[in-house]
Amino acid sequence: EAQVTQNPRYLITVTGKKLTVTCSQNMNHEYMSWYRQDPGLGLRQIYYSMNVEVTDKGDVPEGYKVSRKEKRNFPLILESPSPNQTSLYFCASRSGPNQPQHFGDGTRLSIL
Amino acid sequence: QKEVEQDPGPLSVPEGAIVSLNCTYSNSAFQYFMWYRQYSRKGPELLMYTYSSGNKEDGRFTAQVDKSSKYISLFIRDSQPSDSATYLCAMTSANFNKFYFGSGTKLNVKP
Repeated sequence: EAQVTQNPRYLITVTGKKLTVTCSQNMNHEYMSWYRQDPGLGLRQIYYSMNVEVTDKGDVPEGYKVSRKEKRNFPLILESPSPNQTSLYFCASRSGPNQPQHFGDGTRLSIL
Repeated sequence: QKEVEQDPGPLSVPEGAIVSLNCTYSNSAFQYFMWYRQYSRKGPELLMYTYSSGNKEDGRFTAQVDKSSKYISLFIRDSQPSDSATYLCAMTSANFNKFYFGSGTKLNVKP
């Protein structure tokens, strides 16, 4: 089954404790993105990647890092999480620039 | 000012009603427009994808784009309780790198 898998689905952690949210897709897609979803603000793009080792900032990249060492994986790294990064995070992938995005089911992060 | 504005609702309609969902945007560089449906605890799923001004129909769904007014709409005919979800509009420019989403409209279709 074609899918985008995120882990963990839920995480409660504390300020300053480094964490990684993994994202894996099994569709051989070149393009991948990370979004955060907050009430009243909708989905906002954090980072995107156009291929292995090619990444760029979205609209809200501050406090986040990404890497794309393999085509299927696109982890989101919070080096020193803060409470304002409490949010619902989505990973998405697509096969080409003008192709539709496939989303994972989300990761709910709570940072105390 | 947000790039994309969308009324959050909630919108409550009886089964069988025609639903109209709308977004406005400010960036004239946007050329590709999408509507997503998001059920609770799930990721968004693509419903409609349009380019340029005009209408596109797919079953009970019609997407409409008016680039001169920077206004897009999604119409749902014969709405069903299973259509109850949050609907997100999204758009991007020709480079397809960055996507901009509305905040979503929550729809409830009552049996």
